[in-house]
Amino acid sequence: EVQLVESGGDLVQPGGSLRLSCGASGFSFSSYEMNWVRQAPGKGLEWLAYISSGGSTVYYADSVKGRFTISRDNAESSLYLQMNNLRADDTAFYYCAREKQVVPGDYWGQGTLVTVAS
Amino acid sequence: DIQMTQSPSTLSASVGDRVTITCRASQSIGGWLAWYQQKPGKAPKLLIYKASSLQSGVPSRFSGSGSGTEFTLTISSLQPDDFATYYCQQYNNYHTFGQGTKLEIK
Repeated sequence: EVQLVESGGDLVQPGGSLRLSCGASGFSFSSYEMNWVRQAPGKGLEWLAYISSGGSTVYYADSVKGRFTISRDNAESSLYLQMNNLRADDTAFYYCAREKQVVPGDYWGQGTLVTVAS
Repeated sequence: DIQMTQSPSTLSASVGDRVTITCRASQSIGGWLAWYQQKPGKAPKLLIYKASSLQSGVPSRFSGSGSGTEFTLTISSLQPDDFATYYCQQYNNYHTFGQGTKLEIK
């Protein structure tokens, strides 16, 4: 069974940092591209970052470019999102989702909540 | 950046109705469009990819069409389980989601 499990969400002060993880199981993680997507409470979906299957290619949304870093460890079947200089408007549920070729998001994790507040 | 605009933002309908949601891209995205369904407190669920391909396990009452800049999601006969929020997503140039369409019970 394909599973994606996010962790690392927490309450953090503005300007702080946090590292999210997404553990994958039930499929060949190294064969899939991965994305991070977030959703502020009561709001729509916002794509944040993409990483290729081997990790050599990454893309970011303008809203997080320079502050967030996506990475992966294929040996550990894990995806990461390092978030620095956090702001109140980064408060959201953060989801990881897998992608392969023409199918952008067939499996998603359950999400992890990041709250940025003093 | 490519912008995605969905219409309507809210749609009221009854069980058995045929409904259509539209998604417009600010520039051509070919057929690189997906549709998702999301229920409160849950992760999005992929319904359609590459504009018109039905994801495995999704009921055939869902269908997608379009290319270039205009796309539609059609539900042929609404079922009680279909009342949810629907999002389009382009993946031709990075990824961008539409703002969502909330499908409510009339």
